[in-house]
Amino acid sequence: DADVTQTPRNRITKTGKRIMLECSQTKGHDRMYWYRQDPGLGLRLIYYSFDVKDINKGEISDGYSVSRQAQAKFSLSLESAIPNQTALYFCATSAPGSGANVLTFGAGSRLTVL
Amino acid sequence: DAKTTQPPSMDCAEGRAANLPCNHSTISGNEYVYWYRQIHSQGPQYIIHGLKNNETNEMASLIITEDRKSSTLILPHATLRDTAVYYCIAQLYNFNKFYFGSGTKLNVKP
Repeated sequence: DADVTQTPRNRITKTGKRIMLECSQTKGHDRMYWYRQDPGLGLRLIYYSFDVKDINKGEISDGYSVSRQAQAKFSLSLESAIPNQTALYFCATSAPGSGANVLTFGAGSRLTVL
Repeated sequence: DAKTTQPPSMDCAEGRAANLPCNHSTISGNEYVYWYRQIHSQGPQYIIHGLKNNETNEMASLIITEDRKSSTLILPHATLRDTAVYYCIAQLYNFNKFYFGSGTKLNVKP
């Protein structure tokens, strides 16, 4: 099983629908992140969490919300999806140590909003 | 966080060394240089990181200039499977906001 699992892997929805992308990890890491990637571009940080009681906005948090249900679970919600939220979404985890803060990514969730 | 600059694309012949440059002229003394790669639309994969010294692991080598204003990722014997987008990030240790730029698209050709 993958260290970082994202569900669903692919989702097509309509404008105005509520969508939740889920992320679970078996790494035992405290820190979790949600990134968005648009075609041909790099990744942009949406939200990140230090631990269960900590939620922080990234550079593009508008239109998104998150929930850290447990150390191992971090969900991203689009309350009312719009077409320009069509993108590839990645969850990642990290745990600083040994002189590094290395990110481990999931396989991605491809979201299409019609 | 220091801004990094990378060429948008590079070509490399299969079996030859691939040398990917990264400029980080505004890097601070306690910022690490990290390299990740993304194969097609998969999740990015960590390759290597360093602070001051050159580093080597099973995947690659990282050469950091003495003034730390630039670095080079070296894939010693590139294969077709190394075709990917490579991202260079300058990041404070223990800091949480990893910012990815557009990276370098490496095309390994037969």
